[in-house]
Amino acid sequence: AQSVTQLDSQVPVFEEAPVELRCNYSSSVSVYLFWYVQYPNQGLQLLLKYLSGSTLVKGINGFEAEFNKSQTSFHLRKPSVHISDTAEYFCAVSDPNAGGTSYGKLTFGQGTILTVHP
Amino acid sequence: DVKVTQSSRYLVKRTGEKVFLECVQDMDHENMFWYRQDPGLGLRLIYFSYDVKMKEKGDIPEGYSVSREKKERFSLILESASTNQTSMYLCASSLPRGSGDTQYFGPGTRLTVL
Repeated sequence: AQSVTQLDSQVPVFEEAPVELRCNYSSSVSVYLFWYVQYPNQGLQLLLKYLSGSTLVKGINGFEAEFNKSQTSFHLRKPSVHISDTAEYFCAVSDPNAGGTSYGKLTFGQGTILTVHP
Repeated sequence: DVKVTQSSRYLVKRTGEKVFLECVQDMDHENMFWYRQDPGLGLRLIYFSYDVKMKEKGDIPEGYSVSREKKERFSLILESASTNQTSMYLCASSLPRGSGDTQYFGPGTRLTVL
């Protein structure tokens, strides 16, 4: 079974500083990778996703992530954060080749709480 | 835009009560999912459904059941609520295989069982 590890449970940063949220996954076969954001008292919103092609993926709100197959990582970055980026971020993986009752299932990491301070 | 709605944002129930959580999506998605979210544990899959009247157990199905009588509606049922089921419950939907597995989430229901 796949697993996802988000290496930091909490990341505090100052406004306008760069940030990187780290994500590693267990599978070495083909994967789809996702980053979701959850603002307080809301559901999850898709930030970006990697399905194939370019390993650098750009998402909404100025975020980007880089797929590194050799290191099985999909770290999320933003060059300059805003107060409004304060939220919990989830990395997720699915197996595009999974069959039967496993298809379409996402495995989520434990989440990283990003807190942006003024 | 895909819209996934959940019947309640906050719910308080007593131990032993039967609890229904409803989820409706308006984009004709085949797949629907129920997760629970607990601090430090991320999202854990309870049940999912890839067609009307079809259901599959996820990673933590114990104490829960589901119903999908119509394509747009997926219900989560707690037959006899217990305090350890106090949690945030999230519903999601997605297109079938071949569409990239992106899931779209509802706003969540925060359930407290006293």
